[in-house]
Order: sequence, then structure tokens, then C-alpha cells
Amino acid sequence: AQSVTQLDSHVSVSEGTPVLLRCNYSSSYSPSLFWYVQHPNKGLQLLLKYTSAATLVKGINGFEAEFKKSETSFHLTKPSAHMSDAAEYFCVVSARGSTLGRLYFGRGTQLTVWP
Amino acid sequence: DGGITQSPKYLFRKEGQNVTLSCEQNLNHDAMYWYRQDPGQGLRLIYYSQIVNDFQKGDIAEGYSVSREKKESFPLTVTSAQKNPTAFYLCASSIESKGHGYTFGSGTRLTVV
Repeated sequence: AQSVTQLDSHVSVSEGTPVLLRCNYSSSYSPSLFWYVQHPNKGLQLLLKYTSAATLVKGINGFEAEFKKSETSFHLTKPSAHMSDAAEYFCVVSARGSTLGRLYFGRGTQLTVWP
Repeated sequence: DGGITQSPKYLFRKEGQNVTLSCEQNLNHDAMYWYRQDPGQGLRLIYYSQIVNDFQKGDIAEGYSVSREKKESFPLTVTSAQKNPTAFYLCASSIESKGHGYTFGSGTRLTVV
């Protein structure tokens, strides 16, 4: 079975400070892991994805995530927050060994950035 | 440019009415999906289709129906049997059935009045 737990429903940071959004996963197969961002009333935009290559994955807008199999984690980080980063973020897992292409979503983390 | 188009962006429905949400893609993707989004619950899978004329129920299919008569189109009907239809609905497609290369539409917000 596949599942994702996002450990914080809300995270607040000041502009210019680091961002950490935490995600743990469970997967019966070798997982593919993704982070998506959603701005209000918009669709989802892919930030980055892990598909068994390098464990440190760099994405768009300065975000990166590290796949840690021993900890079953895939936390999202950014060294310096910008006001435009304020949005909802979803950690997502799919099962590469499965014949199905469905994604399993975490409940989301709302990121607030204070000036 | 290729992408997924969902329409309408906002939709209001009276109780007891069926409504159909449109999803069209010109990416030549085989697989298409419908997700429902509620605050604090992430996205939950309603239906998915891996090929034309075939579709499967997801986790919350009750009160919904779909069709896949063309590769490009995957409309979702919210029926009167769906007791709590007010939500944000997202359509997605993927390049193949392994779940990689997902593209999402911009969503339809359905409100029951």
C-alpha cells in the first residue's frame, strides 16, 4: 500500500529565512516521489520529482528535496523564502512497481511567508 | 501549446441536479484522472481511465460517473446521488500508466446552492 504523511498542516516563515516542509511516505514498491505546489484556485504545478536517480533532487524556484530511504522521508527545503512561495504544497507518492499510474497525495502543507 | 483544459472554472448547481464537468487534453496522453479536493484532505481519486472506452473507480466514486469515448476527453458527471458535491475538482493526464509525467488542469470549483 502507498501513503503519504505531511507532518505539518501549516508552516509560517519570514521572508529570507529557510523553509522546511516535512513528508514521510509508505510504499510497497520502489516509490517515485513528487512535490507539487498549488496557488489559490489553481491547478497543481510540479516542483520536483524523485524516480530512483540521485537522492538529492533539485526543483524549480530554488526548492530541493532529499530522498532518505532509511527514514522513509522526502522533506522539501529552500534556503531563503520569498513572498511568492506562499501557497499549498503537496507531497505525493506513486508506486513504480505497480501497473497503475495513480498518485497518492498527502493532505497538504499551507506555507505562509511574512514580510 | 499542449495542455489540459477544464471548463467551466466555476459552476453552481441546485440540489437534485446533475452537472457535467469538462476535461479536454491535447497532449496525446493515454491515462486521465479525476480528483476531488477538499480543504485539509489533499486530493482524492474519483475515477481514472488508462485507455479509450475503459475506466476504473477510484477511492470516492459514489455519486459520480465518467465516460471515455475519445482519447482527448474525460468528462465527469456529478449526479444527484452525490450528497456533498461542493468541492474543487481537478482533472489530470499522464503520458503512460506508470504515473510519471502528470499534467493537471486548472480545476473547476463546484458549489451547490
